[in-house]
Amino acid sequence: AQKVTQAQTEISVVEKEDVTLDCVYETRDTTYYLFWYKQPPSGELVFLIRRNSFDEQNEISGRYSWNFQKSTSSFNFTITASQVVDSAVYFCALSEDTGTASKLTFGTGTRLQVTL
Amino acid sequence: GAGVSQSPRYKVAKRGQDVALRCDPISGHVSLFWYQQALGQGPEFLTYFQNEAQLDKSGLPSDRFFAERPEGSVSTLKIQRTQQEDSAVYLCASSLVFSGGWTDTQYFGPGTRLTVL
Repeated sequence: AQKVTQAQTEISVVEKEDVTLDCVYETRDTTYYLFWYKQPPSGELVFLIRRNSFDEQNEISGRYSWNFQKSTSSFNFTITASQVVDSAVYFCALSEDTGTASKLTFGTGTRLQVTL
Repeated sequence: GAGVSQSPRYKVAKRGQDVALRCDPISGHVSLFWYQQALGQGPEFLTYFQNEAQLDKSGLPSDRFFAERPEGSVSTLKIQRTQQEDSAVYLCASSLVFSGGWTDTQYFGPGTRLTVL
């Protein structure tokens, strides 16, 4: 069975600090996909990134960067120079290639609070 | 273009009442998913449609939960004889297409917050 662990329940930082959100996953499949979603107070899950298991290249998008390491089954997310608008709950998710459109297995989320 | 929409956004039901939650996926999206999110938790999978076919309903918690997507577009999640433990946010997501060996990104709606008194 697949599992996603986000050990950090809540993180508080001051604006302009860098912050890393941890994600560790478990799967028996060799082909799988990892995702990060942001859930602001409005409640809607906003897609941030998708990564497939064959692509370990790290990715940077503006202030966001992702570090995928298969050796440690981790897919960590870093926000550089955090801003108040980054305050939200962030979810890491995993889907396996089962031959049908795959459901997402989510972690329990990390609540990020950015203050002035 | 328009995203996934859900209605109502909030629903309060008395225990034992039936409720129906609606999801309008992104136009042209083949796949549609329902998830349940309890307070302080991550979303949990309920069921999946590919067009009008319900291919996976392994996450439905009981036979009181029923979902349909009769014309392959709008979907309705129905909960019969609601119980307090059904209180949660119900999220709908859609994705463009699935082809073997490649999983498309799911885009989520704002959710329906169900409170059962």
